[in-house]
Amino acid sequence: DAGVTQSPTHLIKTRGQQVTLRCSPKSGHDTVSWYQQALGQGPQFIFQYYEEEERQRGNFPDRFSGHQFPNYSSELNVNALLLGDSALYLCASSGGLAGWNEQFFGPGTRLTVL
Amino acid sequence: QKEVEQDPGPLSVPEGAIVSLNCTYSNSAFQYFMWYRQYSRKGPELLMYTYSSGNKEDGRFTAQVDKSSKYISLFIRDSQPSDSATYLCAMSGPNFGNEKLTFGTGTRLTIIP
Repeated sequence: DAGVTQSPTHLIKTRGQQVTLRCSPKSGHDTVSWYQQALGQGPQFIFQYYEEEERQRGNFPDRFSGHQFPNYSSELNVNALLLGDSALYLCASSGGLAGWNEQFFGPGTRLTVL
Repeated sequence: QKEVEQDPGPLSVPEGAIVSLNCTYSNSAFQYFMWYRQYSRKGPELLMYTYSSGNKEDGRFTAQVDKSSKYISLFIRDSQPSDSATYLCAMSGPNFGNEKLTFGTGTRLTIIP
């Protein structure tokens, strides 16, 4: 089992650009959550996708959007990048048929905005 | 005021010492209380969880939750250099995997050989 995988590992963008981050959930999971972790801070919840729809959203602007595909993989899109968007973006998967519903985290994508 | 408060440290202790990590919270709706461990350049991994109040022990690790005080703790006995990491407390409502996790800032822990 490969666990949760994310791509790319690192990304450098400039202010105003747009970025797309990708996540493949752990085998058997159908729910994907995205978190932003700024340097020295804990992860902050962005949103969660289930059955290809956004089920819950945190306190992030509309510049942050997402998508979930029929195979349960997910994308996080950020438009009009700001310097403050520099962070580690974490994807977590959960759900499926297992009784214990832990959120498993991927290694993250480190985004640097210059 | 943040929903979850955690001392960011850093905390350095000698090998073999007992480590105490703590978080306070303000949201009474939290029902699951978790401790994640995050190594440098890695994603968080679940170390322990507790549902509602009480204690839970797993090897060298003990998690405690006091809902009346809105205070949770993680104790590490016989600390090892491999325990050096950032420890994040996290909390959620009743639908653990299906709702957002609210994290503390994280405490950076170093165990000195």
